[in-house]
Amino acid sequence: GAVVSQHPSRVICKSGTSVKIECRSLDFQATTMFWYRQFPKQSLMLMATSNEGSKATYEQGVEKDKFLINHASLTLSTLTVTSAHPEDSSFYICSAKKTGGPNEKLFFGSGTQLSVL
Amino acid sequence: SQQGEEDPQALSIQEGENATMNCSYKTSINNLQWYRQNSGRGLVHLILIRSNEREKHSGRLRVTLDTSKKSSSLLITASRAADTASYFCATNNYGQNFVFGPGTRLSVLP
Repeated sequence: GAVVSQHPSRVICKSGTSVKIECRSLDFQATTMFWYRQFPKQSLMLMATSNEGSKATYEQGVEKDKFLINHASLTLSTLTVTSAHPEDSSFYICSAKKTGGPNEKLFFGSGTQLSVL
Repeated sequence: SQQGEEDPQALSIQEGENATMNCSYKTSINNLQWYRQNSGRGLVHLILIRSNEREKHSGRLRVTLDTSKKSSSLLITASRAADTASYFCATNNYGQNFVFGPGTRLSVLP
Protein backbone atom coordinates (compact mmCIF):
# COMPACT_ATOMS: atom_id res chain seq x y z
CA GLY A 1 0.00 0.00 0.00
CA ALA A 2 0.85 3.71 0.05
CA VAL A 3 1.57 4.18 -3.63
CA VAL A 4 2.07 7.61 -5.13
CA SER A 5 1.81 7.92 -8.88
CA GLN A 6 3.49 10.84 -10.61
CA HIS A 7 2.88 11.60 -14.26
CA PRO A 8 4.44 12.21 -16.67
CA SER A 9 7.81 10.67 -15.92
CA ARG A 10 9.50 12.68 -18.62
CA VAL A 11 8.45 15.71 -20.63
CA ILE A 12 10.17 17.81 -23.25
CA CYS A 13 8.61 21.13 -24.12
CA LYS A 14 9.37 24.32 -25.97
CA SER A 15 10.26 27.49 -24.16
CA GLY A 16 7.18 29.52 -23.30
CA THR A 17 4.78 26.63 -22.97
CA SER A 18 3.21 25.37 -19.75
CA VAL A 19 3.61 21.90 -18.34
CA LYS A 20 1.37 20.17 -15.82
CA ILE A 21 2.66 17.42 -13.53
CA GLU A 22 0.24 15.25 -11.59
CA CYS A 23 0.83 13.59 -8.23
CA ARG A 24 -1.78 11.07 -7.20
CA SER A 25 -2.06 8.94 -4.07
CA LEU A 26 -3.54 5.67 -5.29
CA ASP A 27 -4.54 3.87 -2.12
CA PHE A 28 -4.64 6.48 0.61
CA GLN A 29 -5.83 9.98 1.24
CA ALA A 30 -3.26 12.73 1.42
CA THR A 31 -4.27 16.03 2.94
CA THR A 32 -0.74 17.28 2.48
CA MET A 33 1.58 16.81 -0.45
CA PHE A 34 4.99 18.29 -1.10
CA TRP A 35 6.70 19.36 -4.29
CA TYR A 36 10.46 19.27 -4.65
CA ARG A 37 13.01 20.16 -7.24
CA GLN A 38 16.23 18.22 -7.55
CA PHE A 39 19.36 19.05 -9.52
CA PRO A 40 21.81 16.33 -10.56
CA LYS A 41 23.70 14.81 -7.65
CA GLN A 42 22.03 17.17 -5.20
CA SER A 43 19.43 16.85 -2.52
CA LEU A 44 15.75 17.68 -2.70
CA MET A 45 14.81 21.33 -2.56
CA LEU A 46 11.34 21.86 -1.13
CA MET A 47 9.36 24.16 -3.40
CA ALA A 48 5.96 24.18 -1.77
CA THR A 49 3.57 22.41 0.54
CA SER A 50 0.23 21.59 -1.02
CA ASN A 51 -2.82 21.35 1.24
CA GLU A 52 -6.13 19.97 0.06
CA GLY A 53 -8.74 22.68 -0.27
CA SER A 54 -6.45 25.60 0.50
CA LYS A 55 -3.65 27.60 -1.05
CA ALA A 56 -0.23 26.09 -1.24
CA THR A 57 2.55 27.37 0.96
CA TYR A 58 5.60 28.28 -1.08
CA GLU A 59 9.19 28.29 0.13
CA GLN A 60 11.17 31.48 0.00
CA GLY A 61 12.41 32.25 -3.48
CA VAL A 62 9.86 30.08 -5.28
CA GLU A 63 7.58 32.09 -7.55
CA LYS A 64 3.98 31.08 -6.92
CA ASP A 65 2.83 32.54 -10.23
CA LYS A 66 5.46 30.52 -12.01
CA PHE A 67 4.78 27.23 -10.25
CA LEU A 68 1.03 26.86 -9.84
CA ILE A 69 -0.10 24.22 -7.39
CA ASN A 70 -3.62 22.87 -7.14
CA HIS A 71 -4.71 20.30 -4.55
CA ALA A 72 -8.38 19.92 -5.36
CA SER A 73 -8.94 16.49 -3.85
CA LEU A 74 -7.51 14.27 -1.15
CA THR A 75 -5.73 12.16 -3.74
CA LEU A 76 -4.48 14.61 -6.35
CA SER A 77 -2.11 17.54 -6.43
CA THR A 78 -0.86 19.17 -9.60
CA LEU A 79 2.13 21.38 -10.32
CA THR A 80 1.98 23.55 -13.42
CA VAL A 81 5.18 25.16 -14.63
CA THR A 82 3.95 28.19 -16.51
CA SER A 83 5.82 29.80 -19.40
CA ALA A 84 8.65 27.33 -18.97
CA HIS A 85 12.20 28.38 -19.76
CA PRO A 86 15.39 26.32 -20.09
CA GLU A 87 16.39 27.22 -16.53
CA ASP A 88 13.24 25.41 -15.33
CA SER A 89 14.67 22.15 -16.65
CA SER A 90 15.03 19.88 -13.66
CA PHE A 91 13.79 16.77 -11.90
CA TYR A 92 10.56 17.43 -10.01
CA ILE A 93 9.35 15.04 -7.30
CA CYS A 94 6.20 14.97 -5.21
CA SER A 95 5.58 13.29 -1.90
CA ALA A 96 2.52 12.73 0.24
CA LYS A 97 1.67 12.25 3.88
CA LYS A 98 -1.20 9.98 4.83
CA THR A 99 -4.23 11.72 6.29
CA GLY A 100 -4.69 10.66 9.88
CA GLY A 101 -2.33 8.33 11.68
CA PRO A 102 1.09 9.40 12.89
CA ASN A 103 2.01 11.08 9.56
CA GLU A 104 5.59 10.14 10.11
CA LYS A 105 6.61 8.88 6.71
CA LEU A 106 6.60 10.38 3.27
CA PHE A 107 5.60 8.46 0.19
CA PHE A 108 7.19 9.66 -3.01
CA GLY A 109 6.24 9.72 -6.63
CA SER A 110 8.78 8.48 -9.16
CA GLY A 111 9.63 11.97 -10.35
CA THR A 112 9.29 13.96 -13.57
CA GLN A 113 12.27 14.96 -15.67
CA LEU A 114 11.43 18.25 -17.35
CA SER A 115 13.51 19.44 -20.28
CA VAL A 116 12.72 22.85 -21.73
CA LEU A 117 14.19 23.54 -25.16
CA SER B 1 16.06 24.82 4.49
CA GLN B 2 18.62 22.07 4.60
CA GLN B 3 19.93 21.21 8.01
CA GLY B 4 21.08 17.66 7.60
CA GLU B 5 24.58 17.01 6.44
CA GLU B 6 25.58 13.57 5.28
CA ASP B 7 29.06 12.30 4.98
CA PRO B 8 30.65 11.00 3.00
CA GLN B 9 29.16 12.62 -0.08
CA ALA B 10 30.18 9.61 -2.12
CA LEU B 11 31.21 6.12 -1.10
CA SER B 12 32.48 3.29 -3.25
CA ILE B 13 32.83 -0.22 -1.83
CA GLN B 14 33.07 -3.81 -2.96
CA GLU B 15 30.13 -6.18 -2.81
CA GLY B 16 29.97 -7.92 0.55
CA GLU B 17 31.55 -5.03 2.46
CA ASN B 18 29.67 -2.86 4.92
CA ALA B 19 28.72 0.71 4.10
CA THR B 20 28.40 3.39 6.75
CA MET B 21 26.87 6.80 6.16
CA ASN B 22 26.55 9.58 8.68
CA CYS B 23 24.07 12.41 9.09
CA SER B 24 24.22 15.48 11.29
CA TYR B 25 21.46 17.94 12.03
CA LYS B 26 21.07 21.21 13.88
CA THR B 27 17.68 21.53 15.53
CA SER B 28 15.61 19.35 17.86
CA ILE B 29 13.75 16.52 16.20
CA ASN B 30 10.89 14.13 16.78
CA ASN B 31 12.33 11.49 14.53
CA LEU B 32 14.97 10.94 11.89
CA GLN B 33 14.41 8.90 8.77
CA TRP B 34 16.56 7.44 6.04
CA TYR B 35 15.45 7.27 2.44
CA ARG B 36 16.96 5.69 -0.63
CA GLN B 37 16.82 7.04 -4.18
CA ASN B 38 17.76 5.07 -7.24
CA SER B 39 19.01 7.19 -10.11
CA GLY B 40 16.20 9.12 -11.79
CA ARG B 41 13.56 7.82 -9.42
CA GLY B 42 11.64 8.95 -6.35
CA LEU B 43 12.67 8.25 -2.78
CA VAL B 44 11.78 5.16 -0.83
CA HIS B 45 11.48 5.15 2.95
CA LEU B 46 13.94 2.77 4.60
CA ILE B 47 13.77 3.22 8.33
CA LEU B 48 12.64 5.64 11.02
CA ILE B 49 14.21 6.16 14.42
CA ARG B 50 12.52 8.23 17.09
CA SER B 51 14.29 10.76 19.26
CA ASN B 52 14.01 8.50 22.32
CA GLU B 53 15.59 5.54 20.52
CA ARG B 54 19.31 4.91 20.15
CA GLU B 55 19.46 2.05 17.68
CA LYS B 56 17.17 0.31 15.28
CA HIS B 57 17.52 -2.62 12.90
CA SER B 58 15.70 -3.62 9.76
CA GLY B 59 17.12 -6.52 7.78
CA ARG B 60 20.63 -5.51 6.69
CA LEU B 61 20.10 -1.94 7.88
CA ARG B 62 21.21 -0.62 11.24
CA VAL B 63 20.53 2.96 12.28
CA THR B 64 21.88 4.73 15.32
CA LEU B 65 20.88 8.07 16.73
CA ASP B 66 22.83 10.26 19.13
CA THR B 67 20.67 13.23 20.07
CA SER B 68 23.42 14.76 22.23
CA LYS B 69 25.65 15.00 19.17
CA LYS B 70 22.71 15.56 16.80
CA SER B 71 23.93 12.81 14.54
CA SER B 72 22.81 9.52 13.06
CA SER B 73 24.47 6.74 11.13
CA LEU B 74 23.15 4.22 8.64
CA LEU B 75 24.99 0.93 8.29
CA ILE B 76 24.28 -1.42 5.42
CA THR B 77 25.82 -4.81 6.03
CA ALA B 78 26.91 -7.31 3.39
CA SER B 79 26.28 -4.81 0.61
CA ARG B 80 25.05 -5.87 -2.80
CA ALA B 81 25.33 -4.24 -6.20
CA ALA B 82 21.60 -3.54 -5.96
CA ASP B 83 22.27 -1.27 -2.96
CA THR B 84 23.87 1.25 -5.34
CA ALA B 85 21.81 4.41 -4.84
CA SER B 86 21.76 7.75 -3.07
CA TYR B 87 20.83 7.73 0.59
CA PHE B 88 19.28 10.71 2.35
CA CYS B 89 18.55 11.39 5.97
CA ALA B 90 15.50 13.48 6.80
CA THR B 91 14.58 15.07 10.07
CA ASN B 92 11.04 15.70 11.21
CA ASN B 93 9.94 17.90 14.06
CA TYR B 94 6.44 16.90 15.13
CA GLY B 95 4.82 16.88 11.71
CA GLN B 96 6.40 20.01 10.36
CA ASN B 97 8.29 19.99 7.12
CA PHE B 98 10.76 17.21 6.56
CA VAL B 99 14.29 18.48 6.06
CA PHE B 100 16.54 16.43 3.83
CA GLY B 101 20.31 16.27 3.92
CA PRO B 102 22.49 16.47 0.78
CA GLY B 103 22.77 12.70 0.55
CA THR B 104 25.45 10.05 0.16
CA ARG B 105 25.96 8.44 -3.25
CA LEU B 106 26.81 4.79 -2.65
CA SER B 107 28.37 2.65 -5.36
CA VAL B 108 28.67 -1.08 -4.68
CA LEU B 109 31.03 -2.71 -7.11
CA PRO B 110 30.44 -6.35 -8.07
